Amino acid sequence: AQKITQTQPGMFVQEKEAVTLDCTYDTSDQSYGLFWYKQPSSGEMIFLIYQGSYDEQNATEGRYSLNFQKARKSANLVISASQLGDSAMYFCAMREWGSSNTGKLIFGQGTTLQVKP
Amino acid sequence: GAVVSQHPSWVICKSGTSVKIECRSLDFQATTMFWYRQFPKQSLMLMATSNEGSKATYEQGVEKDKFLINHASLTLSTLTVTSAHPEDSSFYICSAITGASTDTQYFGPGTRLTVL
Repeated sequence: AQKITQTQPGMFVQEKEAVTLDCTYDTSDQSYGLFWYKQPSSGEMIFLIYQGSYDEQNATEGRYSLNFQKARKSANLVISASQLGDSAMYFCAMREWGSSNTGKLIFGQGTTLQVKP
Repeated sequence: GAVVSQHPSWVICKSGTSVKIECRSLDFQATTMFWYRQFPKQSLMLMATSNEGSKATYEQGVEKDKFLINHASLTLSTLTVTSAHPEDSSFYICSAITGASTDTQYFGPGTRLTVL
């Protein structure tokens, strides 16, 4: 069963507008962490934002915020005021802190975001 | 922030030769490093988990004898693709964590391997 699901293979957004990238997850662990990474065409994976399962507030980092809805098991990334440099592939990932905590990340399929001028 | 480097950034080799890729944590000690493989426009596929001073743990379906991983120190892990074939051509990325319970994985810039 897919543990991390990103249902949007590709997204377009107009420059300066906000965009939401969807991510749903599946885990039986009570303790887990959710991550978003950006991968531009150069290939490097850039860490954007982290949300812990026990965090009560939604995480924010500059123009990035994570809309965490625990009951729905969703962790959507919101990018405000999109810039041309935001065009990239975005990955949602989860780390489970349970008994099998190996530090491994489980990645979603990714969403390609294109920002239009 | 935490910086991870990879060397080389790209490599072209002949079929049948071996290629070594290095992954270094530059400003922290990495108790655990991970090796991923990525095909174009696809997600990252975890190949193995590498812990300093112990044998790597390979994911199901990854050939241990083909992809040799060594984590000799807290700042260096190497991936050797032995007897490379064209189907081994891919983008290989490493990542590292320090071992703290809420640690973020920091990724290297990746190595693009092309086997002719």
